[in-house]
Amino acid sequence: AQKITQTQPGMFVQEKEAVTLDCTYDTSDPSYGLFWYKQPSSGEMIFLIYQGSYDQQNATEGRYSLNFQKARKSANLVISASQLGDSAMYFCAMRETTNTGNQFYFGTGTSLTVIP
Amino acid sequence: DSGVTQTPKHLITATGQRVTLRCSPRSGDLSVYWYQQSLDQGLQFLIQYYNGEERAKGNILERFSAQQFPDLHSELNLSSLELGDSALYFCASSVGLGALRAFFGQGTRLTVV
Repeated sequence: AQKITQTQPGMFVQEKEAVTLDCTYDTSDPSYGLFWYKQPSSGEMIFLIYQGSYDQQNATEGRYSLNFQKARKSANLVISASQLGDSAMYFCAMRETTNTGNQFYFGTGTSLTVIP
Repeated sequence: DSGVTQTPKHLITATGQRVTLRCSPRSGDLSVYWYQQSLDQGLQFLIQYYNGEERAKGNILERFSAQQFPDLHSELNLSSLELGDSALYFCASSVGLGALRAFFGQGTRLTVV
């Protein structure tokens, strides 16, 4: 089974609207972390937000929030008030802690286009 | 600017050759992570070092090796290169072990011809 699943290859959103990017994960590790990264066309990877498996509240970082539904193994990224600069690839990732150290898994990404 | 420096930015080499990619982490960061991004495999975690010691291993091929030096910079060595090794190789760094708020370098684009 895929560790991280992003089912939306591409998404469009109107400028100033909110958008939700979906991410589901699969793990039996009780202590894990979930990440979202942004990759603009220039190629760099930018950390956006982190959610720990034991965190009771959904993580927020400015216009980014993570809708964490543990029972559903879902970690959707919500971007509020979209801006043209939000057009990019977005990757969901998970960190598992094993007896040999951390393992990191990435989804296939969602390409977001913000329309003026 | 993330504060993580990767050199070189681009590298073109022939099959069978060996290359070394270099990464200087952000000041104060003890963890260095290496990732590979290719069209075929997507983003893959290769290896993590923390304060000079290997701490985690992902999908790193036996032909690849890495190390972190006392000044905390890291090198990723790729040998017996194959066409399929062509990819963007990222280094990232963080203060602790868990990759929280990890900052990425610009990547090294490796092309094997």
